[in-house]
Amino acid sequence: AQSVAQPEDQVNVAEGNPLTVKCTYSVSGNPYLFWYVQYPNRGLQFLLKYITGDNLVKGSYGFEAEFNKSQTSFHLKKPSALVSDSALYFCAVRDPPGNTPLVFGKGTRLSVIA
Amino acid sequence: KAGVTQTPRYLIKTRGQQVTLSCSPISGHRSVSWYQQTPGQGLQFLFEYFSETQRNKGNFPGRFSGRQFSNSRSEMNVSTLELGDSALYLCASSSEGGIGTEAFFGQGTRLTVV
Repeated sequence: AQSVAQPEDQVNVAEGNPLTVKCTYSVSGNPYLFWYVQYPNRGLQFLLKYITGDNLVKGSYGFEAEFNKSQTSFHLKKPSALVSDSALYFCAVRDPPGNTPLVFGKGTRLSVIA
Repeated sequence: KAGVTQTPRYLIKTRGQQVTLSCSPISGHRSVSWYQQTPGQGLQFLFEYFSETQRNKGNFPGRFSGRQFSNSRSEMNVSTLELGDSALYLCASSSEGGIGTEAFFGQGTRLTVV
């Protein structure tokens, strides 16, 4: 069965610095990978996804993620962090073929300090 | 287009009672998934419905059940509530674009069991 690991519960970064939120996955086939963000008292918002093609995926709000098959990773990155980026970030994976459910990591809380 | 709507937003129930949560997906979306979010466990998959049929099921006891109606609206029921059922329950809908299609989440129903 597919699984996702987010090794850091909390990431702290200064405003203006680059940020990275880590994600590793385990699947039997080629993964479909997603990042979501959750702000307080809100549902999850889709940021970006990797299905196939270019390993560097660009998404909403200036975020991007790099798919690395050999390291089974899909780290979320942003060149310059904003205080408003502070939120809970979730990595998720689907393992084709078939209509498998979206499986989430436990989340990483990002705090951007002014 | 209206987003995913979950009702009610907040619920307080007593142990042993049952509860029904409702989810209205984005218009045209036929897949509805339910997740339980707790601080310690992150997001855990409950079940997915597609065209009124349960397509996937997570590892939850039989006290958790769901259904989907012909208009794609979905309900989730939890019987014989336990304190550990206190959580944010999230509903997500997606179109028929296959498993590479992202899911859109509602704001959730926060259930507190006392």
